[in-house]
Amino acid sequence: GAGVSQTPSNKVTEKGKYVELRCDPISGHTALYWYRQSLGQGPEFLIYFQGTGAADDSGLPNDRFFAVRPEGSVSTLKIQRTERGDSAVYLCASSFGSRSGANVLTFGAGSRLTVL
Amino acid sequence: KQEVTQIPAALSVPEGENLVLNCSFTDSAIYNLQWFRQDPGKGLTSLLLIQSSQREQTSGRLNASLDKSSGRSTLYIAASQPGDSATYLCAVENNDMRFGAGTRLTVKP
Repeated sequence: GAGVSQTPSNKVTEKGKYVELRCDPISGHTALYWYRQSLGQGPEFLIYFQGTGAADDSGLPNDRFFAVRPEGSVSTLKIQRTERGDSAVYLCASSFGSRSGANVLTFGAGSRLTVL
Repeated sequence: KQEVTQIPAALSVPEGENLVLNCSFTDSAIYNLQWFRQDPGKGLTSLLLIQSSQREQTSGRLNASLDKSSGRSTLYIAASQPGDSATYLCAVENNDMRFGAGTRLTVKP
């Protein structure tokens, strides 16, 4: 597609439920990133994929968070046993090539997650 | 751990003013620094990317400088317009990309 697409744009769930957030990157972009942005803060890194593999998952806050990218394009961020503190906007970005250097990221509009 | 700080947190100026946004970072071993714009409820739009070997980049009314040794970058906006109102974020990349909390800019007509 023309840009990075994220669905759903808004998700309201109850504490303890399971949530999946989807990211459809720009066609041909090999690198994909997930970030989390809380109100009034900058985005916080969660995980980076190069192709199908998670090259860096050091930002995932705990084992309730997991992400996959099975075919090297669409990625799904999965959150188990959601907590109120998980409420945030989850941003996805994609880019050509590897992580370093002249690597312009294109961001999606984000998925706003609210845990009641 | 890389820390990125942006000052001021918020800025309000009348239309037509030139202005400077500041970004500082604690670890100078970076691959690049980017400035992004974020409109309410929207994703981030990359404005300028400065590679570690460069000192500045320009795009239209925007000019970004990088002083890697002192851990500082500035974003200069010339002849500001109401349409420039947004949150401006800087991000530095070494092992991962770390963002500042942003400067919320309001340009009043």
